[in-house]
Amino acid sequence: DIQMTQSPSSLSASVGDRVTITCRASQSISSYLNWYQQKPGKAPKLLIYAASSLQSGVPSRFSGSGSGTDFTLTISSLQPEDFATYYCQQSYLKYTFGQGTKLEIK
Amino acid sequence: QLQLQESGPGLVKPSETLSLTCTVSGGSISSSSYYWGWIRQPPGKGLEWIGSIYYSGSTYYNPSLKSRVTISVDTSKNQFSLKLSSVTAADTAVYYCARLSPYYYGSAGAFDIWGQGTMVTVSS
Repeated sequence: DIQMTQSPSSLSASVGDRVTITCRASQSISSYLNWYQQKPGKAPKLLIYAASSLQSGVPSRFSGSGSGTDFTLTISSLQPEDFATYYCQQSYLKYTFGQGTKLEIK
Repeated sequence: QLQLQESGPGLVKPSETLSLTCTVSGGSISSSSYYWGWIRQPPGKGLEWIGSIYYSGSTYYNPSLKSRVTISVDTSKNQFSLKLSSVTAADTAVYYCARLSPYYYGSAGAFDIWGQGTMVTVSS
């Protein structure tokens, strides 16, 4: 099984801040990495696929990078609606999610 | 646009079988481009992929659940279903169905469209 580890587990930030969330895979997954945003009581929403491709309709302040084992999700300027939990997910060998990063308002 | 909707009992007794159905509307489940999947989320916890199915009936499952999971498809009803046997309290979760969209034809992909989720509680 491929394990996905996100850091940090939680993060406090302010509107307008630049935020980076990291995801590490237990083995190389090439660019088979996706990022999701989940708000309380809602289904996850796909933000980034294939490590760096922006899903249609997602604001350009979201970006993804990385390959192999190390990946990042960056939000360039936090907006009030961005406070949520973020999950990475590998699709190299079946599907595994990270444990999540909760982004809270400072 | 494409929508997915989960349905099924919200309460299941321990040792029994959990059964859920996902109805796809606004598009065909028989599209050759997509797989379809089930993901769950225990209260206050993270996401766990359960398994996925192609319209032809080809399936693949999470190894940790494989012995208890069956996913099937009914193209005539534009639905796919989940059965999880011998449930315990640890199977209490919100269950989501989702479309799995490939990065390119025949590749792995991402879950791009999700149902709203349905809460299933395992309790006597």
